[in-house]
Amino acid sequence: QQQVKQSPQSLIVQKGGISIINCAYENTAFDYFPWYQQFPGKGPALLIAIRPDVSEKKEGRFTISFNKSAKQFSLHIMDSQPGDSATYFCAARGSNYKLTFGKGTLLTVNP
Amino acid sequence: GAGVSQSPSNKVTEKGKDVELRCDPISGHTALYWYRQRLGQGLEFLIYFQGNSAPDKSGLPSDRFSAERTGESVSTLTIQRTQQEDSAVYLCASSLVGGTNTEAFFGQGTRLTVV
Repeated sequence: QQQVKQSPQSLIVQKGGISIINCAYENTAFDYFPWYQQFPGKGPALLIAIRPDVSEKKEGRFTISFNKSAKQFSLHIMDSQPGDSATYFCAARGSNYKLTFGKGTLLTVNP
Repeated sequence: GAGVSQSPSNKVTEKGKDVELRCDPISGHTALYWYRQRLGQGLEFLIYFQGNSAPDKSGLPSDRFSAERTGESVSTLTIQRTQQEDSAVYLCASSLVGGTNTEAFFGQGTRLTVV
């Protein structure tokens, strides 16, 4: 049973464009929603995270938008750069502090 | 240690052999995860250890897979009678629990190739 659904599976964006990755969840007990970034040959690393009492969090070019009633959250990458090309995973924290990950989105930013 | 350490970094094994993969989490991290990542695919949850709680083994794909953790330190993932479909990168992550932050720190992974 997939508790965090992520889309799209892959995304191609031109340099300077906006990249948008979406996630949806069903478990209302989730209380912390991080995004991870993974470069080839590396393990994923935390990029940005949000708690459900906040609707938006921005760090530089990266913004998380959170819609608690719809049980959806998304990652927006403004002014996307070729260096942003990576795989992005959303996640949600549930009982016993366990993180459940989405299946990932492969982002390619063309120069 | 400075980060999550996994060994070996690469492992080539013959079909039918057993393998052991090791993970050294960050000191003090009570939570530890194992994931499998096939080429170009997402993170497939395998098992979760948290303190003294019973491990969450719900992601283990078959009884050929098992994992142990000694207290709040080293974990080993064992795959018995390896099959070609076991070929993947096996990632370990650890985290603190409690409070507002549950950042999971990942190791570099062990690339397993079954020939």
